[in-house]
Amino acid sequence: AQTVTQSQPEMSVQEAETVTLSCTYDTSESDYYLFWYKQPPSRQMILVIRQEAYKQQNATENRFSVNFQKAAKSFSLKISDSQLGDAAMYFCAYRIPWNSGNTPLVFGKGTRLSVIA
Amino acid sequence: GAGVSQSPSNKVTEKGKDVELRCDPISGHTALYWYRQSLGQGLEFLIYFQGNSAPDKSGLPSDRFSAERTGGSVSTLTIQRTQQEDSAVYLCASSRRQGSNTEAFFGQGTRLTVV
Repeated sequence: AQTVTQSQPEMSVQEAETVTLSCTYDTSESDYYLFWYKQPPSRQMILVIRQEAYKQQNATENRFSVNFQKAAKSFSLKISDSQLGDAAMYFCAYRIPWNSGNTPLVFGKGTRLSVIA
Repeated sequence: GAGVSQSPSNKVTEKGKDVELRCDPISGHTALYWYRQSLGQGLEFLIYFQGNSAPDKSGLPSDRFSAERTGGSVSTLTIQRTQQEDSAVYLCASSRRQGSNTEAFFGQGTRLTVV
């Protein structure tokens, strides 16, 4: 069974600084997708960034980037120039492609990020 | 609307009562998921529907929980004889099956409080 582990229950960062959130996963699959979702106090889950396992290049979305280490099964999220609006719960998630089976998204337990002004 | 819609937004019920939570996915999305999020915790998978396939019910915590999806669209999660430990936010998500876009879009959840 696939599992996703986020070892940092809470993190904090100074405004304008950079922070890295850790995520590791366990799978025997070679092709899969990895995601980072953000959940602000409004409860609305928002996709931050996505990585396909077959792509070696790390995904980036503006101030958000990932460090994907397939051999180590590691998928960390880096937030640059942190802003107050980045404060939220961040969840790492995993799923296999549709043509490999009908499986749901598997989530980690989340990391609560605080941004200090 | 364009997003996943869940109702009610909040529900307070007495212990022992049955509740129904509704999810209206994005039109055309064949996959629909229910997750439970207890206070300050991660997302616990409950059930997953994919098109006309048999649902994956492996995450349902007890036989008091059930869900159905009518016509491949709206889904209802039913909790019978509610207990205080059922208090949580219940999140629904949907996604397309075809193509490489496997992003799941979430509703804002239903906060269930059992008193």
